[in-house]
Amino acid sequence: KQEVTQIPAALSVPEGENLVLNCSFTDSAIYNLQWFRQDPGKGLTSLLLIQSSQREQTSGRLNASLDKSSGRSTLYIAASQPGDSATYLCAVTQGAQKLVFGQGTRLTINP
Amino acid sequence: GAVVSQHPSRVICKSGTSVKIECRSLDFQATTMFWYRQFPKQSLMLMATSNEGSKATYEQGVEKDKFLINHASLTLSTLTVTSAHPEDSSFYICSARDFRDRGDTQYFGPGTRLTVL
Repeated sequence: KQEVTQIPAALSVPEGENLVLNCSFTDSAIYNLQWFRQDPGKGLTSLLLIQSSQREQTSGRLNASLDKSSGRSTLYIAASQPGDSATYLCAVTQGAQKLVFGQGTRLTINP
Repeated sequence: GAVVSQHPSRVICKSGTSVKIECRSLDFQATTMFWYRQFPKQSLMLMATSNEGSKATYEQGVEKDKFLINHASLTLSTLTVTSAHPEDSSFYICSARDFRDRGDTQYFGPGTRLTVL
């Protein structure tokens, strides 16, 4: 059974810092890995999707990497801003388009 | 494009009543929709996969008679929580996959907060 773990569970940093969120998964047989953002009481916003054949994806200040063989992914956020404060979830896609989510990292950017 | 709506956004009901939650794809057709639940400070857990015109596929441990899913059209799936109890209080989120999309993108709704008194 696939298990997805995110470390740390919570992170608080000053504005302007670069930071890294970590995600690990136990079964490397995935189609892709996605990073989502969730604001309190809201749905999910997709940030980046990395196909299993890819190593990384970039969007603006966000960069996500994938090492499928080791079961790891990182989300790098450059020059963090208070508006980046949210919960970040990673999820892997397995058969039948099923998404398995990690528990998320609650990120707080302090002005 | 690719907007998914949920209704209601928030519902409070008494124990023993049934509650229906709607998930709609507004600008695309979705042959497959997914229902998730999320407890406070926890992750999303897939409850079931809803396929248009056929029975839903439930994940292990999810009671199909408790959580009734109907996917009657290409733009609408409904989740009915029957005889709701306080332990059913949770955040329910749906997602939808565009049937024309050969990729793996799921578009998520904004969620429904269910509180059972």
